[in-house]
Amino acid sequence: QVQLVQSGAEMKKPGASVKVSCKASGYSFTSFYVHWVRQAPGQGLEWMGIINPTGGSTTYAQKFQGRVTMTRDTSTSTVYMQLNSLTSEDTAVYYCARDLGRVHFDYWGQGTLVTVSS
Amino acid sequence: QSALTQPASVSGSPGQSITISCTETSSDIQNYNYVSWYQQHPGKAPKLMIYDVSKRPSGVSNRFSGSKSDNTASLTISGLQAEDEADYYCSSYTSNSPVKFGGGTKLTVL
Repeated sequence: QVQLVQSGAEMKKPGASVKVSCKASGYSFTSFYVHWVRQAPGQGLEWMGIINPTGGSTTYAQKFQGRVTMTRDTSTSTVYMQLNSLTSEDTAVYYCARDLGRVHFDYWGQGTLVTVSS
Repeated sequence: QSALTQPASVSGSPGQSITISCTETSSDIQNYNYVSWYQQHPGKAPKLMIYDVSKRPSGVSNRFSGSKSDNTASLTISGLQAEDEADYYCSSYTSNSPVKFGGGTKLTVL
């Protein structure tokens, strides 16, 4: 069965970086784009960016450009999202999600809570 | 950037039908049939309920249906059940950036 399994919760200080992983299984890793979406406490969903696992090309939301990097490792079917220069406003649950096509997300990771606090 | 506007909350009694709207200020909903709806229970990841405006993924109850008219998409839940109580988000493809989400609607089953 299709699964996206994310790395565990992280606690970071302001100014630090975080790297979250998302390991895919149960399907052909290079056949589906993967997105990252975050959700601040009590807030809605916010799209961060997309990565093409085949060639590694990326598109980021304007809000995060210059601060986010999405990469992938085809040998382990894993995508990564690194966010730099963290502030308290980056405290959120970060999700990876598989793109069924036409930006419909049919499978989601379980979420990774990133807490930024001094 | 244009926004997707949803009502903050809706409610209904078991067995009733409710509709959640998703209105856009630009024309992406109108021009593309790439609207999705997600259900999210507290502490859980979102779940795809509707895609391509009105298609249901395998395993999703046929009590859930989607439609659109001009710049507004809608999610209708018929035969409301207690387990339908959750947050619901619409999303749409956008010509400026691949996707945007609505602000979410909290559904309360009375």
